[in-house]
Amino acid sequence: AQTVTQSQPEMSVQEAETVTLSCTYDTSENNYYLFWYKQPPSRQMILVIRQEAYKQQNATENRFSVNFQKAAKSFSLKISDSQLGDTAMYFCAFMKQGIRDDKIIFGKGTRLHILP
Amino acid sequence: SAVISQKPSRDICQRGTSLTIQCQVDSQVTMMFWYRQQPGQSLTLIATANQGSEATYESGFVIDKFPISRPNLTFSTLTVSNMSPEDSSIYLCSADGQGIYGYTFGSGTRLTVV
Repeated sequence: AQTVTQSQPEMSVQEAETVTLSCTYDTSENNYYLFWYKQPPSRQMILVIRQEAYKQQNATENRFSVNFQKAAKSFSLKISDSQLGDTAMYFCAFMKQGIRDDKIIFGKGTRLHILP
Repeated sequence: SAVISQKPSRDICQRGTSLTIQCQVDSQVTMMFWYRQQPGQSLTLIATANQGSEATYESGFVIDKFPISRPNLTFSTLTVSNMSPEDSSIYLCSADGQGIYGYTFGSGTRLTVV
C-alpha cells in the first residue's frame, strides 16, 4: 500500500520569503504521479503542481517548484516570493500511473501561514 | 479541466436524519470520488463511483451509511444516512480531469450534525 507523509504540521513565513514544504512517500510502484494541492479557507482543493515519476526534470509552475528525488521517495514543494494568498493547507498526494481511474492518496497536510 | 458544482455548501442537520449531497460536472467523466475531511484533517476516500455500476467503498465505509448514486457521466450524489454528530465533516466530490492528470474537486459541503 502507498503512504504519503508530511512531517510539518504547520509553518509560518514572512511575506516575500521562500518556503519549502516536505513530503515523503512509500510505494513499490515504478510509474506514478505526485501532486501538491492547496486548500485555502474557502475549502476548494486547487491543484498547484504535478510531477510524473518517469520525468527527471523537476516541475515548475510560476513561483511553485518541486524537488523530486525518486530514489529517496521525496517530493518537496518550494514557494518563492510567498504571498498572503498562499496561506492555506497544502496536501502532498500520490496516484499510481496506468490506471486512470485510480484514487489519489493524500498526506495529512501542512498548514502554511504567510505573515505580513 | 472539468468544473464541479457541489451543493449544498453547508447544512446543519438533526441527528437521525439523512442528507443528500449533489455534484454536477460540466463534462463527462468516467469516475467520481467522494472524500470526507474531518476538521483539521486530511482527505479520506469514502468510495469510488462508476456510472452504471455500484460504488466501490473503502474500508470503514458501508453502502447503508453512505449510499451513492451515479445515474450518468456528469452527476453523482452521496447520502449521509442516520446521521450522528460524528458525521460532522466536510464532504468533497472529485472527478478525473479528462486527460489532465490529477483530479478536480467540488467546493465541499460542510455538514454539522446536532
